[in-house]
Amino acid sequence: DQQVKQNSPSLSVQEGRISILNCDYTNSMFDYFLWYKKYPAEGPTFLTSISSIKDKNEDGRFTVFLNKSAKHLSLHIVPSQPGDSAVYFCAASAQSGGGADGLTFGKGTHLIIQP
Amino acid sequence: DAMVIQNPRYQVTQFGKPVTLSCSQTLNHNVMYWYQQKSSQAPKLLFHYYDKDFNNEADTPDNFQSRRPNTSFCFLDIRSPGLGDAAMYLCATSRSGLATDTQYFGPGTRLTVL
Repeated sequence: DQQVKQNSPSLSVQEGRISILNCDYTNSMFDYFLWYKKYPAEGPTFLTSISSIKDKNEDGRFTVFLNKSAKHLSLHIVPSQPGDSAVYFCAASAQSGGGADGLTFGKGTHLIIQP
Repeated sequence: DAMVIQNPRYQVTQFGKPVTLSCSQTLNHNVMYWYQQKSSQAPKLLFHYYDKDFNNEADTPDNFQSRRPNTSFCFLDIRSPGLGDAAMYLCATSRSGLATDTQYFGPGTRLTVL
């Protein structure tokens, strides 16, 4: 009954190319989506986010696309750099629920940038 | 300049022996969260504090308790650890708890249950 799914445990991309990480969700109440990046032996750090009122959010090399009808979002990294090698977590929240709710995470995708 | 500190980084306990994990923050944030992440699984929210108000997730086992004696510190108590409680435990903070407020995570405590 995973509400946030990242179906690719790992992804290998050549340096300089585009990395595309995918995420699907099932809960229609989710209206805010986030991507976190995690290096080994460190906690996850916030990368970027998108509200459900948008379908795209660009932030430098990172762009998030949201397709609400398909309940799908993706993170594009262009161009990919060696420092991008990390585990990427997709997370979701229902803002309309109010209060200090936590995040619902996916299992993560390990991105490996090949030189 | 660490902002969310978790001690210890690695904790080994015996089956059934109570254990306490610690989290402290220098951000003066109102909200503190505890997540459990088992191997190859998604981090899962256990509970959170908004200031002194405790909020338990519906499916968090009674075996897990938490204390927040002041703004800076939050503790996770596992009263009788089982083998299934072996996991990484992540502490996070947020200024107001809104989804748009960034959650800042500590490095985690890896718990091993023998």
